[in-house]
This record gives sequence, structure tokens and C-alpha cells, in this order.
Amino acid sequence: NAGVTQTPKFRVLKTGQSMTLLCAQDMNHEYMYWYRQDPGMGLRLIHYSVGEGTTAKGEVPDGYNVSRLKKQNFLLGLESAAPSQTSVYFCASRSGGEYEQYFGPGTRLTVT
Amino acid sequence: AQSVTQPDIHITVSEGASLELRCNYSYGATPYLFWYVQSPGQGLQLLLKYFSGDTLVQGIKGFEAEFKRSQSSFNLRKPSVHWSDAAEYFCAARFYNQGGKLIFGQGTELSVKP
Repeated sequence: NAGVTQTPKFRVLKTGQSMTLLCAQDMNHEYMYWYRQDPGMGLRLIHYSVGEGTTAKGEVPDGYNVSRLKKQNFLLGLESAAPSQTSVYFCASRSGGEYEQYFGPGTRLTVT
Repeated sequence: AQSVTQPDIHITVSEGASLELRCNYSYGATPYLFWYVQSPGQGLQLLLKYFSGDTLVQGIKGFEAEFKRSQSSFNLRKPSVHWSDAAEYFCAARFYNQGGKLIFGQGTELSVKP
């Protein structure tokens, strides 16, 4: 099993550009999460999904959109990137019967 | 709002010395508690977790943590630190009725002196 994978690993965007981050998991997990990690702030939840076709807002959802069209994939979109979105983005997943979340390796995004 | 606090942003210990990283959660019903480690450039790996029962839990890589309800704490310990333990450590909590979401502390960066 590959576990949780994220694409791409690194990306540089100019202000106003758009992009989509892809998270894929092969563990048949129902729940998937997107976090951002900033120095001194830990991980903060952006959006999450409790199942295919469902999404919900987390702690810091503004400026992001998500979709979960397939159970194994969770996409995070930035429609118009801003420098404040420079961060490391982590995806995580878990099964309905567990409380542990499994994390991907992260995507480092820089917005100039 | 429910929260998790790691009071120490950065800790330096000598190799072979003991380690304790502090974690406190906001008062209320006991949440499920986790410690994750993040090596440079890597994702987060679960070290250990506490749901109920024995308040001293053992994890991977020789780590353990003790839950103390009276102090709302879940401190991480290791008797003898190795250079490879240098990393960032995150405490996280899953509070009741929060849809399974994890609340993370700010993280503690551990440096190990030779």
C-alpha cells in the first residue's frame, strides 16, 4: 500500500494563479482532511470530507475549495492564490472505525 | 474553544539525556490524545495515542506518554534521546462531538546536541 500520497510535492505560484492539489489514499478510508502547516501554528484544518461526495469547512476554509468525487481522492483548489496561502499542505485520511489519521508527505506551496 | 497547547517552542537536549515534551488540552471531557513526530521534510508519523485505560502509554521509537486528568496534560517522554530523534513533535486531541477532527498544538522542535 502506498498509503496517502500528495501531488505535487512543491509548487511556486504567482499571486492570482490557480492550482489544484491532489490527495490520494489506497486504504479505503471514509474520512479525508486537508491541513495547512505554518511556523508556530501547528496544523490547522482547512476542509474535510466524511465520505464520497461530501465536504465540510474546517477552521480556515477561506480561499480554498475542495471536492471528493471519488472515495480515494480529495482535491484542494486555490482559485486565486495569495501570498498568505504560502504554506505546507498536508492531507490525511482515516477509517470510520479508527481515530488515528494517516498523513501524506505534504506539498510545499509558495505564492509570490 | 477547545485547544491544545505545547508551551515549549524549541527544546535542546544532549544525546543520551532524558526528554519530556509538554502538552496541555483545554478543560472539559477527556479527549482522545495523540503525539505525532515530523522529521524534516516529511509528513507526520503517529508515535502513540491515548483513548482510555492505563494512563501511561507506550509508543514507537522508545517514547511513552502519561495522561494526567488533574492537570489536563499528556506529556511525552523518552529516557535516553538519540540524535535521530531531532524533529518536530505535535500533540493533538480529538474532542468529543467535534466530528472526528483533530486539534493540534503549535509543535515543539527538538534539537539534539552530540
